[in-house]
Amino acid sequence: GAVVSQHPSRVICKSGTSVKIECRSLDFQATTMFWYRQFPKQSLMLMATSNEGSKATYEQGVEKDKFLINHASLTLSTLTVTSAHPEDSSFYICSARDQLAGNPYEQYFGPGTRLTVT
Amino acid sequence: QQPVQSPQAVILREGEDAVINCSSSKALYSVHWYRQKHGEAPVFLMILLKGGEQKGHEKISASFNEKKQQSSLYLTASQLSYSGTYFCGTDLNDYKLSFGAGTTVTVRA
Repeated sequence: GAVVSQHPSRVICKSGTSVKIECRSLDFQATTMFWYRQFPKQSLMLMATSNEGSKATYEQGVEKDKFLINHASLTLSTLTVTSAHPEDSSFYICSARDQLAGNPYEQYFGPGTRLTVT
Repeated sequence: QQPVQSPQAVILREGEDAVINCSSSKALYSVHWYRQKHGEAPVFLMILLKGGEQKGHEKISASFNEKKQQSSLYLTASQLSYSGTYFCGTDLNDYKLSFGAGTTVTVRA
């Protein structure tokens, strides 16, 4: 089956610093990747849609200058949280879509990255 | 717009059945079901495309009524491993998923 990896799995950073999270599709090409955020005991909220070679599309209320997304290749998308603050502490999960798969609507989720800002 | 899931939580004994519902106010193209254990990423269970199909995964099955914009997840003869939070994700045919608030299932021996 399709596998998506994320790195790092956990990161602790100081307030004001930037953190980069990588999302990779390991055995398929992902023209579209999605970034979600999940606060404790809450649902997953879509932050942005990342398309290879073009600018990401952000959901309403998500600051594009704070959450920088780069989808430079068909297997890698990165999310950079700039000038992180404690309220950015969350579980960040990416997913990828394989448009060549039998079911192009299925999304394959990565294992998530837990960000803690101190 | 976020779909509505019910119930919020359910407690079962091993072997009992449960139904989790997911409804949307908008026309849906597909419904995705996931289970998440504490501290882990969601695990894909199944996807249902419009057409009213019913799918199964072990003793977990689901149905999708596109006319009512509703989907139901059926946990049959529940096992301890079924414990977790179940999320439905709805797709309006733009590949983006909106997730419900989740249903926490606790299965006790």
